[in-house]
Amino acid sequence: EPEVTQTPSHQVTQMGQEVILRCVPISNHLYFYWYRQILGQKVEFLVSFYNNEISEKSEIFDDQFSVERPDGSNFTLKIRSTKLEDSAMYFCASSVGGTGANVLTFGAGSRLTVL
Amino acid sequence: AQSVTQLGSHVSVSEGALVLLRCNYSSSVPPYLFWYVQYPNQGLQLLLKYTTGATLVKGINGFEAEFKKSETSFHLTKPSAHMSDAAEYFCAVSDYGAAGNKLTFGGGTRVLVKP
Repeated sequence: EPEVTQTPSHQVTQMGQEVILRCVPISNHLYFYWYRQILGQKVEFLVSFYNNEISEKSEIFDDQFSVERPDGSNFTLKIRSTKLEDSAMYFCASSVGGTGANVLTFGAGSRLTVL
Repeated sequence: AQSVTQLGSHVSVSEGALVLLRCNYSSSVPPYLFWYVQYPNQGLQLLLKYTTGATLVKGINGFEAEFKKSETSFHLTKPSAHMSDAAEYFCAVSDYGAAGNKLTFGGGTRVLVKP
């Protein structure tokens, strides 16, 4: 069964450092997403991406965050200057279409720890 | 704005007993509703979804959920718990804007199955 692959599974970084989290979505999917889950809190939407541009973003997704699809397979989330509060599990997801009925397939997550 | 409330962050059931996980939502439009499961060190896996049509929805692993519009609920049930059902379960509602499928998640319910 097709799956969404995320790397790294766990990254530890110092506050102020740049971090790039990588995702390989399912090959025939057109919509890509990042969500995050701070320990003990809800899974939160960060951003959706379609046709090489951001289609929607949350208030969490400020100027410190950026997304990119650098080639035909990877989808990346960059945090420019990490803060302690960026420590969370980050989930990448993809879907075939963009309507509410379309199912998101999630990756296993990348755990980011900011010290 | 949409929201999802899951009653009970932890549920403990005996093997073979009924599993009942409660989910209530608020949405200004007819919702699309989802249940996802997260096993340890894995991503979010779709259990089932409600979009339109029959309000009783069957999913994988013997789970089902019933959409009750009058109660704004989408409770998840399984008649007989198995040890392998130990996981965290997330209810989610979809914002079906054309820009992408943004899910709003509940806080999750962790299920412990006792032998």
